[in-house]
Amino acid sequence: GAVVSQHPSRVICKSGTSVKIECRSLDFQATTMFWYRQFPKKSLMLMATSNEGSKATYEQGVEKDKFLINHASLTLSTLTVTSAHPEDSSFYICSAALSGRGNEQFFGPGTRLTVL
Amino acid sequence: EDQVTQSPEALRLQEGESSSLNCSYTVSGLRGLFWYRQDPGKGPEFLFTLYSAGEEKEKERLKATLTKKESFLHITAPKPEDSATYLCAVQAPNDYKLSFGAGTTVTVRA
Repeated sequence: GAVVSQHPSRVICKSGTSVKIECRSLDFQATTMFWYRQFPKKSLMLMATSNEGSKATYEQGVEKDKFLINHASLTLSTLTVTSAHPEDSSFYICSAALSGRGNEQFFGPGTRLTVL
Repeated sequence: EDQVTQSPEALRLQEGESSSLNCSYTVSGLRGLFWYRQDPGKGPEFLFTLYSAGEEKEKERLKATLTKKESFLHITAPKPEDSATYLCAVQAPNDYKLSFGAGTTVTVRA
């Protein structure tokens, strides 16, 4: 149980285009989901907290207009990287908090974004 | 601000050579301390949650312990498949956010 999926697993895009990444909790409902970014050989950096039906809460230094987050249902959150540039290339990982076990977060497999 | 420091940064072990990883933390009240395993190019895999000092949890060759200032992840008789980066994270009260340490990369040689 507690499986989280992400789609796509890899995406390559041209500079200036927008990319949408989906995060789904497959076998549980998640009122809260999180988006992280990870650079090579570095730890996870929290970008934003996404609550179902409300606006996301962004961490300091994360551009809201660059990284659009939508959490439309209890099983789906999306991250859209708008007008992507090479510096946005990174490994993006989502996690979902298991309702009733709110302390524990389960992570998706990650999405590798490469912006040319 | 929550701080999590993991040591060592890297650990190379021979198969069967037991060792421990350290996670020191500073947080205003601890809601939970989490251990994850991450393989290259993958998302973190949940291992343990510890809630209070003195608590211990085990899973196969792994055992996690917690004090008021640090947590240890003991790896007993490791196998090559235990090679991974082990991440420690803390969660403050009234907040679901996790603050991660930089991780310890463990390499187990056959």
